[in-house]
Amino acid sequence: ETGVTQTPRHLVMGMTNKKSLKCEQHLGHNAMYWYKQSAKKPLELMFVYNFKEQTENNSVPSRFSPECPNSSHLFLHLHTLQPEDSALYLCASSYGGGEGGYTFGSGTRLTVV
Amino acid sequence: GESVGLHLPTLSVQEGDNSIINCAYSNSASDYFIWYKQESGKGPQFIIDIRSNMDKRQGQRVTVLLNKTVKHLSLQIAATQPGDSAVYFCAETLNSGYSTLTFGKGTMLLVSP
Repeated sequence: ETGVTQTPRHLVMGMTNKKSLKCEQHLGHNAMYWYKQSAKKPLELMFVYNFKEQTENNSVPSRFSPECPNSSHLFLHLHTLQPEDSALYLCASSYGGGEGGYTFGSGTRLTVV
Repeated sequence: GESVGLHLPTLSVQEGDNSIINCAYSNSASDYFIWYKQESGKGPQFIIDIRSNMDKRQGQRVTVLLNKTVKHLSLQIAATQPGDSAVYFCAETLNSGYSTLTFGKGTMLLVSP
């Protein structure tokens, strides 16, 4: 275990469904991140939160809605997704930047049908 | 925008060989670099980092080399083992790590017994 836990590990949803991804970190970090990992593409940054405040939204479609109730928890709410949104969604945390890099969870494998 | 890229998408080696994975970065202002390893079904895991005021850093069986003149980063793995089989990413950032990381596409390392 890395100290960053993501649930569920796998998710299959229809295009009209609403679901949420959850991330929890037990490392005392103050920054949390959502990344999208698709085949043959670099990791794509989606959202950044520092001390519960969103500090970066990387032009993500509104069908992805993040929520950060505290520095230890991060959610990604999903609704009316498209098949091209199928990917591995990774959560990460860090000490507000990069020293030592980010600690990643194992990801949620999302399939939109 | 600026991006980080990898020269070789797949590297196949024999167990016991030394492996070298290369990375080219394009942002000359980047001052902190990290190598990550991602095994199947897991999130990226921090391996080693290096700051721009260094040109070499060694860890356990791994060495990172930084050539700022040509904006090149490499990861050397000594005595490669089957457990080293994974995708390796380089990542760069600014401001000594206080900006978000930019990841390269990754290189798949395959180690044959």
